[in-house]
Amino acid sequence: EPEVTQTPSHQVTQMGQEVILRCVPISNHLYFYWYRQILGQKVEFLVSFYNNEISEKSEIFDDQFSVERPDGSNFTLKIRSTKLEDSAMYFCASSEDTASTDTQYFGPGTRLTVL
Amino acid sequence: AQSVTQLDSHVSVSEGTPVLLRCNYSSSYSPSLFWYVQHPNKGLQLLLKYTSAATLVKGINGFEAEFKKSETSFHLTKPSAHMSDAAEYFCVVSDGGLHGQNFVFGPGTRLSVLP
Repeated sequence: EPEVTQTPSHQVTQMGQEVILRCVPISNHLYFYWYRQILGQKVEFLVSFYNNEISEKSEIFDDQFSVERPDGSNFTLKIRSTKLEDSAMYFCASSEDTASTDTQYFGPGTRLTVL
Repeated sequence: AQSVTQLDSHVSVSEGTPVLLRCNYSSSYSPSLFWYVQHPNKGLQLLLKYTSAATLVKGINGFEAEFKKSETSFHLTKPSAHMSDAAEYFCVVSDGGLHGQNFVFGPGTRLSVLP
């Protein structure tokens, strides 16, 4: 069964450094998403992406964040200058469509630790 | 705005006994509702979803959920718990936004299954 993959599984970085989290969505999916889960808290929506542009973003997704689909398979989340509070599990998801009924398929997550 | 409440942060049951995980939602739209499960160090796996068809929805691993509009509830049940059901369970409402489908997650319920 096709699945969403994410690399790395765990990323440790120093505060102020840039990080890039990578995702490979399911191949025939057109909509892509990033979510994050701070330890002990809810999973929160960050951004959705379609047709090479951001569809919607939350207030968490400030100027420090950016997303890109650099080629036909990868979908990346970049944090320009990491802060301690960026430490979280980051989940990528993809879906075939954007209807409210459509299932989002999630990757296993990348645990980001900012020191 | 959409929101999801999961009334129990932790539920503990004995193996072979019924499971009930509670979820209540608020939504301005006709909602789509999902249950996802997260096993330790794993990604989010779809258990089942409600999309305005049958109100009783059957999912994988013997789980089912019933949509009750009058109670704004979507509780997850299973007749007989198995040790492998121990995990974190998330109730999700889809807001079906015009520019993207943003999932709104509940805080999660951790299910423990005792031998």
